Amino acid sequence: KAGVTQTPRYLIKTRGQQVTLSCSPISGHRSVSWYQQTPGQGLQFLFEYFSETQRNKGNFPGRFSGRQFSNSRSEMNVSTLELGDSALYLCASSLRSLAGNTGELFFGEGSRLTVL
Amino acid sequence: GENVEQHPSTLSVQEGDSAVIKCTYSDSASNYFPWYKQELGKGPQLIIDIRSNVGEKKDQRIAVTLNKTAKHFSLHITETQPEDSAVYFCAASMGGADGLTFGKGTHLIIQP
Repeated sequence: KAGVTQTPRYLIKTRGQQVTLSCSPISGHRSVSWYQQTPGQGLQFLFEYFSETQRNKGNFPGRFSGRQFSNSRSEMNVSTLELGDSALYLCASSLRSLAGNTGELFFGEGSRLTVL
Repeated sequence: GENVEQHPSTLSVQEGDSAVIKCTYSDSASNYFPWYKQELGKGPQLIIDIRSNVGEKKDQRIAVTLNKTAKHFSLHITETQPEDSAVYFCAASMGGADGLTFGKGTHLIIQP
């Protein structure tokens, strides 16, 4: 069974640009979450999508957005990049449902973004 | 919102000894507490989790304990091996659609 796939794995952008990251969840998983990982702040929750709807959002500015497609694949976008956006962006999928039980998160290997 | 504190940030133990990592959480409504292991260049992987209706859970050399009254939970690794070297994260969630709140991580080093 294929794991969570994130693309691209590495990318370099300059301040003011925008970036789109992609995540393909494990087959059958309908929930996709995004996390930002930095040495100083650790793992921070960005947002979660389930059946194309954003169910929850972390404490990040509106420059961070996402969406989910009907095949459960997800993308996140960061506009007007700042130096502080340099981080590893992790996507995780799970079998969580509207019933509300927290299930195991399966993480991808991440997309490492460097903003110059 | 929820706040999770994790200690220590770095832990070095001799191979074969035990390792203990501790976390505290702030929101008494949290009811799900997973532990994740992250190896270099990889995403975190769930190693064990516990729900608020259970006080202890074991899986071979790994155990987690939960004290709801004190709002803290701990990871215990016995008979440590070189492959246990990694960064370990605790997390808490109120379940449902809420995202996990992670601790800052513990870098576990197993000395040969």
